[in-house]
Amino acid sequence: GAGVSQSPSNKVTEKGKDVELRCDPISGHTALYWYRQSLGQGLEFLIYFQGNSAPDKSGLPSDRFSAERTGGSVSTLTIQRTQQEDSAVYLCASSLFQGGATGELFFGEGSRLTVL
Amino acid sequence: AQSVTQLDSQVPVFEEAPVELRCNYSSSVSVYLFWYVQYPNQGLQLLLKYLSGSTLVKGINGFEAEFNKSQTSFHLRKPSVHISDTAEYFCAVRGQGAQKLVFGQGTRLTINP
Repeated sequence: GAGVSQSPSNKVTEKGKDVELRCDPISGHTALYWYRQSLGQGLEFLIYFQGNSAPDKSGLPSDRFSAERTGGSVSTLTIQRTQQEDSAVYLCASSLFQGGATGELFFGEGSRLTVL
Repeated sequence: AQSVTQLDSQVPVFEEAPVELRCNYSSSVSVYLFWYVQYPNQGLQLLLKYLSGSTLVKGINGFEAEFNKSQTSFHLRKPSVHISDTAEYFCAVRGQGAQKLVFGQGTRLTINP
């Protein structure tokens, strides 16, 4: 498709299980971002990729969170041993240029994670 | 580092009334500024952006924003709102040379008939 695609759109899991969230960016976009949107909160930056490298992982909340990107395209965000406080909407965005003047990020519709 | 403060978490207005959503930012370097809108059950989409030049920026759906460097503000305005403008609005800032976009907490705009 033409936009950023995320899957699954909804995920319900039990506390302690691992989950994987997938993001397929717009073709040709070299920059990819993960954000987290919790109820009543703004968008919290998690990690940024340029190509397959992650120059900025500063927003990952704990070592239970990791992300990778392969082939300069699809990215997977993995949360191990999920906790209830991990419940949120995880948003992926892509951008044509790293830190470019346009700066516009194109967002997917998000993956809603509920940890019971 | 950059930060963004959206001063109002919720703004209720009547249909056809004007609205202003406030945004202030903090940065030690020059910035690019953005407003994104999130309609119910949808992803975020860009409303407008300030990169350089004219401080008054016009966006989609009749919205505009004014960059005020001395007050470090980028308030969003619309002279007459419609029911369809009901959404959450996010102000965001990127420092020149920085990679990430820093978002505010969001303002929920509710339009009453």
